[in-house]
Amino acid sequence: DAKTTQPPSMDCAEGRAANLPCNHSTISGNEYVYWYRQIHSQGPQYIIHGLKNNETNEMASLIITEDRKSSTLILPHATLRDTAVYYCIVRVWGEYGNKLAFGAGTILRVKS
Amino acid sequence: DTAVSQTPKYLVTQMGNDKSIKCEQNLGHDTMYWYKQDSKKFLKIMFSYNNKELIINETVPNRFSPKSPDKAHLNLHINSLELGDSAVYFCASSQVLDSYTIYFGEGSWLTVV
Repeated sequence: DAKTTQPPSMDCAEGRAANLPCNHSTISGNEYVYWYRQIHSQGPQYIIHGLKNNETNEMASLIITEDRKSSTLILPHATLRDTAVYYCIVRVWGEYGNKLAFGAGTILRVKS
Repeated sequence: DTAVSQTPKYLVTQMGNDKSIKCEQNLGHDTMYWYKQDSKKFLKIMFSYNNKELIINETVPNRFSPKSPDKAHLNLHINSLELGDSAVYFCASSQVLDSYTIYFGEGSWLTVV
């Protein structure tokens, strides 16, 4: 299973873009990159996922490098409610189905 | 309506007791999960069920026994509670077994004293 490396914490000013990096240098060709976040005292929430193309949805954008060894989650206009732990996950799909392996994540603090 | 709901939200109990955490999802999903988040905040899968059938059992002690009476419910029963069982337990569901989106409940905070 590919592992991910994320900075332990980041700060971002409210209204600015938050760029959260993730390294996954051992990712294999059929593994997707997923991003989830966990706001304090809540369960994790799905944000976005991608294989090799850049992806965008109503919450965020995901930029994956051409060699797929790293990616960046972009929150275009961060708000205070975006303060959370952000998890970059490379999907582990074993014989018996879907297993998401969560690492330590990045604590994003959005400040006014 | 809460999509994935679990009860109780907080539970404090003594070592050696037996306790259950209940989970229900109203999303019509086929697959349900239990995850455990320990004091270091690492979130790890414990079990997954697909249409009431056990799919994943991640080397969890036998004291933990999940039960799925129907595909909308996945309860977690824990026997002979130990101090190390103190954690936050999250129930989750996904539409099918390999869905990329998993919906989590709000967690059950278990403290064993």
